[in-house]
Amino acid sequence: EAGVAQSPRYKIIEKRQSVAFWCNPISGHATLYWYQQILGQGPKLLIQFQNNGVVDDSQLPKDRFSAERLKGVDSTLKIQPAKLEDSAVYLCASSLVGAGNNSPLHFGNGTRLTVT
Amino acid sequence: QQQVKQSPQSLIVQKGGISIINCAYENTAFDYFPWYQQFPGKGPALLIAIRPDVSEKKEGRFTISFNKSAKQFSLHIMDSQPGDSATYFCAASQLYSGGGADGLTFGKGTHLIIQP
Repeated sequence: EAGVAQSPRYKIIEKRQSVAFWCNPISGHATLYWYQQILGQGPKLLIQFQNNGVVDDSQLPKDRFSAERLKGVDSTLKIQPAKLEDSAVYLCASSLVGAGNNSPLHFGNGTRLTVT
Repeated sequence: QQQVKQSPQSLIVQKGGISIINCAYENTAFDYFPWYQQFPGKGPALLIAIRPDVSEKKEGRFTISFNKSAKQFSLHIMDSQPGDSATYFCAASQLYSGGGADGLTFGKGTHLIIQP
């Protein structure tokens, strides 16, 4: 089974620039998540999709972050404009349905963003 | 608001020893408690998980102990090996009867080093 694919692997931008991350979940997984992992901390949920609908985006800074999941498969996360505090690893995860005993989250290896 | 508190932040254990990591949660609606293992440059990977209807779950050298009344759960790694050196995250979420679930809320992580 192919894992969750993310690109790019690394990205360096200056503050106030924009950036986009791409995620391809495991085939057949209905639920897709974007997490932000700041160095030395646990992943923080930004947004959860069920198919192509948003289930939870309560922790997404909507003034600068946006995400979409077209056709219920691939997803993109965008930051515009970026701030220094956005430097982090952005992790994409997917699961069959929601996280649970029979539907664990599978994470990609993330995109490491550095904002200078 | 940190809903899952994890300790210790870092831990050094001799090879063959027992590694113990503790977590406490606040939200009594949580009913799914996984542990994730993360190696540098990789995304977190599910290690073991427990539901609150049991007090202990064991898989190989890994055991989760769960105390519902105290709202605490812990990970025990028996016969710890150098290959177990990684960052460990506890997490929690609320499952729904229809099969869906909230996104996972993670602790801040424990950096575990197993000395040969």
